[in-house]
Amino acid sequence: AQSVTQPDIHITVSEGASLELRCNYSYGATPYLFWYVQSPGQGLQLLLKYFSGDTLVQGIKGFEAEFKRSQSSFNLRKPSVHWSDAAEYFCLLDTDKLIFGTGTRLQVFP
Amino acid sequence: GAVVSQHPSRVICKSGTSVKIECRSLDFQATTMFWYRQFPKKSLMLMATSNEGSKATYEQGVEKDKFLINHASLTLSTLTVTSAHPEDSSFYICSASDPQRSPNEQFFGPGTRLTVL
Repeated sequence: AQSVTQPDIHITVSEGASLELRCNYSYGATPYLFWYVQSPGQGLQLLLKYFSGDTLVQGIKGFEAEFKRSQSSFNLRKPSVHWSDAAEYFCLLDTDKLIFGTGTRLQVFP
Repeated sequence: GAVVSQHPSRVICKSGTSVKIECRSLDFQATTMFWYRQFPKKSLMLMATSNEGSKATYEQGVEKDKFLINHASLTLSTLTVTSAHPEDSSFYICSASDPQRSPNEQFFGPGTRLTVL
């Protein structure tokens, strides 16, 4: 079955700390994977995407994600978090349908 | 980038009434649009795929007679929640892809918050 799992519902970090948001997927073929961010009162914004090629992809706002086929993972990272990064983050698996993870809410403390 | 709008942004209605939500692609033509529902625990669920000029494809468990989808043009899809009930209160989001830009990238509307009293 095709699925996306974001194990962490809520993460709290201090400003300036590093961040890793986990995303695991289940799909038999090569996946198209995305990370989206939803800021309060705003719509969803694409951070980055993986189709093929380099397994480390760079996105906007200093985010990056690494595709690891052996672990069926596509974790999102940022070396130094800013207070404005506080938002809800969604991992998306694009197969013949679009499957979202349940989201991870990020809180950033000053 | 490609812009998708939704109208209205918020709507409050009485139980039993119907509510129509519009999704428009403002600067591109979208042969396919998607409708999602965001549940209180924040998970986004795909409700249906809206195809211009043909019937929508509904996901399992979504009542097609309750959530009517019409995709009459390449820039407009509508979702009508018929005989709304309080449990239909939710955040509804549409998305579309621009085949001339990046066919697999979805551009999302800002969402419509529906509250059924």
